[in-house]
Amino acid sequence: AQSVTQLDSQVPVFEEAPVELRCNYSSSVSVYLFWYVQYPNQGLQLLLKYLSGSTLVESINGFEAEFNKSQTSFHLRKPSVHISDTAEYFCAVTGTGFQKLVFGTGTRLLVSP
Amino acid sequence: DVKVTQSSRYLVKRTGEKVFLECVQDMDHENMFWYRQDPGLGLRLIYFSYDVKMKEKGDIPEGYSVSREKKERFSLILESASTNQTSMYLCASSSRLAGGQGDTQYFGPGTRLTVL
Repeated sequence: AQSVTQLDSQVPVFEEAPVELRCNYSSSVSVYLFWYVQYPNQGLQLLLKYLSGSTLVESINGFEAEFNKSQTSFHLRKPSVHISDTAEYFCAVTGTGFQKLVFGTGTRLLVSP
Repeated sequence: DVKVTQSSRYLVKRTGEKVFLECVQDMDHENMFWYRQDPGLGLRLIYFSYDVKMKEKGDIPEGYSVSREKKERFSLILESASTNQTSMYLCASSSRLAGGQGDTQYFGPGTRLTVL
């Protein structure tokens, strides 16, 4: 069985400050990891994903996440946030073979001026 | 662009009513999913389907059923709505062609259902 833990339910930060949203997973098989973002009143959009290869993956809007197998983590980072990054962020995991995505409980990022 | 549409953004129903939530995707995806989203609980999988007329239970199927008569359409049915089914319902689809695991799920905008 797989599970995802997002310990921070809410992260307040000032504009242009760096941010890290934490995600830890547990799995007995090889994993594929995802970060999804949900802007207010919208569905979820894929932000970035790790399938294989380089452990550092990047999104087009400046976010990055690093797969750390030894620490079973996939933390999301951005060096300088914008007001428009205010959203809820979900970490998700799936594994070898067709398996459903297992989502974390989400982290609400609140960016203020 | 992949587009997943859901029949209603907001829906208000009464206890005991039969409720249909419709989802349509336009990318010929094999896999379709229904989730409910509740504060502090994240997304929980209700049912999914990997082919027409095929369905699999997710983590919380009780009180729900689904129908997939056509590849592009996946319906969620609340046979007798109850107040504890008040929630945001999200539909998603994904392709199976690239091997299954790791495929991106594309989400609809969601239906906020209130059961009175």
